[in-house]
Amino acid sequence: DAKTTQPPSMDCAEGRAANLPCNHSTISGNEYVYWYRQIHSQGPQYIIHGLKNNETNEMASLIITEDRKSSTLILPHATLRDTAVYYCIVRVEDSSYKLIFGSGTRLLVRP
Amino acid sequence: GAVVSQHPSRVICKSGTSVKIECRSLDFQATTMFWYRQFPKQSLMLMATSNEGSKATYEQGVEKDKFLINHASLTLSTLTVTSAHPEDSSFYICSARGGGRNTGELFFGEGSRLTVL
Repeated sequence: DAKTTQPPSMDCAEGRAANLPCNHSTISGNEYVYWYRQIHSQGPQYIIHGLKNNETNEMASLIITEDRKSSTLILPHATLRDTAVYYCIVRVEDSSYKLIFGSGTRLLVRP
Repeated sequence: GAVVSQHPSRVICKSGTSVKIECRSLDFQATTMFWYRQFPKQSLMLMATSNEGSKATYEQGVEKDKFLINHASLTLSTLTVTSAHPEDSSFYICSARGGGRNTGELFFGEGSRLTVL
């Protein structure tokens, strides 16, 4: 079970912010929220992860609700190269380090 | 960041032959690597966890005699698809767990597309 729910597809205009939602209502206290993306015919690329605080890096921001049941990945200024499938994954930081992928959101950035 | 390389990136083979795919961590040592399979327009499916120096752990429903995994060194894991058939045609992706300041982060290879005729 992927344990997350994401919309199958979204689109946004180039230069605008892309806000990708993810529901993880059954998340446990020791599970982190990870975001990866996969550009067509490539391996997944790590974007960001967090536990309960909002996080920001050079690629994106991650906003996690206070009850941790949902989160939003924000790409502040989407470009055409951001067109990809975005995966939200919850994972326990244990020795297995396994990532179980759900169906993800296919983001199309329009020119 | 850490780099994971797969080889070959594309392979076409005849039905009944075996195909080996390599996964290398180029600038770090990876005690654990993972193998995924992805069919067109579908998500990645975890096949197995490869541990250096020990037997791989396979996910439910994955045939261990069909998909042989060897992790003989800290930088190399191989996946061999034995007696390949057209239904084994897929995109195979490996990932490796980083070390040092990247401990816990998984780095993915570019993927290997297998086509079985």
